[in-house]
Amino acid sequence: GQNIDQPTEMTATEGAIVQINCTYQTSGFNGLFWYQQHAGEAPTFLSYNVLDGLEEKGRFSSFLSRSKGYSYLLLKELQMKDSASYLCAVRVLTTGGFKTIFGAGTRLFVKA
Amino acid sequence: GAVVSQHPSRVICKSGTSVKIECRSLDFQATTMFWYRQFPKKSLMLMATSNEGSKATYEQGVEKDKFLINHASLTLSTLTVTSAHPEDSSFYICSARLVDRDTLYEQYFGPGTRLTVT
Repeated sequence: GQNIDQPTEMTATEGAIVQINCTYQTSGFNGLFWYQQHAGEAPTFLSYNVLDGLEEKGRFSSFLSRSKGYSYLLLKELQMKDSASYLCAVRVLTTGGFKTIFGAGTRLFVKA
Repeated sequence: GAVVSQHPSRVICKSGTSVKIECRSLDFQATTMFWYRQFPKKSLMLMATSNEGSKATYEQGVEKDKFLINHASLTLSTLTVTSAHPEDSSFYICSARLVDRDTLYEQYFGPGTRLTVT
């Protein structure tokens, strides 16, 4: 089956760095996404990795190791507005086409 | 960027009635749209994949007769919750995939529809 694991909650301090891990066991892997979702809103795209390595985009970076089935999202210089859920999602290719499977999300609390 | 809209944003209905939710891709054509359901503090659960001009593909455990999906055009997909019950109360989110485009931004999400069944 397809499985994605990430921590349920994390707390970090404003200005600090936090790393949110995601491990996955899937078949037909075709890329990994990170989304940010504020309560009551739809997810917004943060990053996409399909090859191993680190992708950096401003305060956010995402890492992928396909051999280990592992990714992380790194948030630097945390701001209060970064308090949200962070969803790890894996795109897989099935007989019915591409699908994106979401993890349960990690709720990040940023404190002053 | 690509924009996806949903209507209505919020709806309250009585038990036993049906509710239709529209999902539109405003500035691009989407051969494929996805419908998700999200419970409070939970992640998105894929309900079905909607393909323009053909029947939707439902995920295991999702009742196709209860959640009717129509994708009549390249810019519109609808989800109808039939004979709604309180347990159908949820946040429904659609997303759309661009046509013939290999992009990092595979899916664009709509703002979601909050359904409350009383």
